[in-house]
Amino acid sequence: GENVEQHPSTLSVQEGDSAVIKCTYSDSASNYFPWYKQELGKRPQLIIDIRSNVGEKKDQRIAVTLNKTAKHFSLHITETQPEDSAVYFCAAHRDDKIIFGKGTRLHILP
Amino acid sequence: KAGVTQTPRYLIKTRGQQVTLSCSPISGHRSVSWYQQTPGQGLQFLFEYFSETQRNKGNFPGRFSGRQFSNSRSEMNVSTLELGDSALYLCASSNPSGSYEQYFGPGTRLTVT
Repeated sequence: GENVEQHPSTLSVQEGDSAVIKCTYSDSASNYFPWYKQELGKRPQLIIDIRSNVGEKKDQRIAVTLNKTAKHFSLHITETQPEDSAVYFCAAHRDDKIIFGKGTRLHILP
Repeated sequence: KAGVTQTPRYLIKTRGQQVTLSCSPISGHRSVSWYQQTPGQGLQFLFEYFSETQRNKGNFPGRFSGRQFSNSRSEMNVSTLELGDSALYLCASSNPSGSYEQYFGPGTRLTVT
């Protein structure tokens, strides 16, 4: 079955700097890769996603890149702000089944 | 539209007991998935129901079961509770005919003592 590895598990960056979170997946048939953000005490919410026929997608300060050959995808957050502090989950989706990574706790330092 | 709701929000049970959690999806969503969230393990997929049928299942023991009703509401049941079952249980609904986005509920915090 699908396996999703996510790194790092914890990431601390200075406010204003960039943050990068990386994920790898095992099933080459996976075709949809969402990223969810979970703030403390709240439910996960989709922040950006990418389909397998696209290599990069951007939405304001966040972007996701996908390398199908290497089976990895990354989340990039630029100009980080205090409200970016949260746990971020990547996921890989195939045939109505979605597998999440274990999450990255992002700390934005003042 | 009202969001995904889960009841109860908090639950304390004793080892060996059983528990039933409920999830009401967004109106019109026919797919409901369940996840177990624990520190360090992220979101572990339990199972997914669509039109009252279990369509996918994760790697959890048979003590974990679920069902879905004709109105798409779903329940999950855990029998013979163990201390390790203490976790936040999240359900999520999606509209398979649209995007794959999962809309999560607030979760049920289960504590097993």
